[in-house]
Amino acid sequence: DIQMTQSPASLSASLGETVSIECLASEGISNDLAWYQQKSGKSPQLLIYAASRLQDGVPSRFSGSGSGTRYSLKISGMQPEDEADYFCQQSYKYPLTFGSGTKLEIK
Amino acid sequence: EVQLVESGGGLVQPGRSMKLSCAASGFTFSNYGMAWVRQAPTKGLEWVATISYDGSSTYYRDSVKGRFTISRDNAKSTLYLQMNSLRSEDTATYYCTREETYYGYNWFAYWGQGTLVTVSS
Repeated sequence: DIQMTQSPASLSASLGETVSIECLASEGISNDLAWYQQKSGKSPQLLIYAASRLQDGVPSRFSGSGSGTRYSLKISGMQPEDEADYFCQQSYKYPLTFGSGTKLEIK
Repeated sequence: EVQLVESGGGLVQPGRSMKLSCAASGFTFSNYGMAWVRQAPTKGLEWVATISYDGSSTYYRDSVKGRFTISRDNAKSTLYLQMNSLRSEDTATYYCTREETYYGYNWFAYWGQGTLVTVSS
């Protein structure tokens, strides 16, 4: 199975601050990576697919990058509504696997 | 508007069975692969099973293989998850998701609101 190691587990950021979340795959996944946001008590929502493509309707302050085994999600200018859990997920091989999540809070 | 509405969750005893349903609307159901993803209380996300657009291919995580069956009825635009021999570790909110594909990349584009399955005596 491909292991997705996500870091940090939690993060506190001030409004307007730029934050980054990373995912390290145990083997190369050829950019077959998505990022999801899950607000408290809600279903996950897609942010980024194919490592760097922004889902329609997602604010442009969200961006994804990476290649091979290393991928990252960046939020350029933290907003109050960005307080949530974030998960990466690979679809390169079955079983599909998720990172363990990052809890992002406002400082 | 794409809508995925799960039903069928609840409290079930260990070893018993339960069948989840997901009613899809707002898109041509028979054109898309579908999947179930679960989340144990206060835990992360875990992929459970995937079915191709026509039902000809199915994939499962090892821990549910032989116990769970994913299926679909394209005429009814409905996805199912038959869960047998349930265990306490299957306790989770189960989400129905629609898969999207782009030049070989795949992701879960839409999610239902989830249905909670609690396995306990």
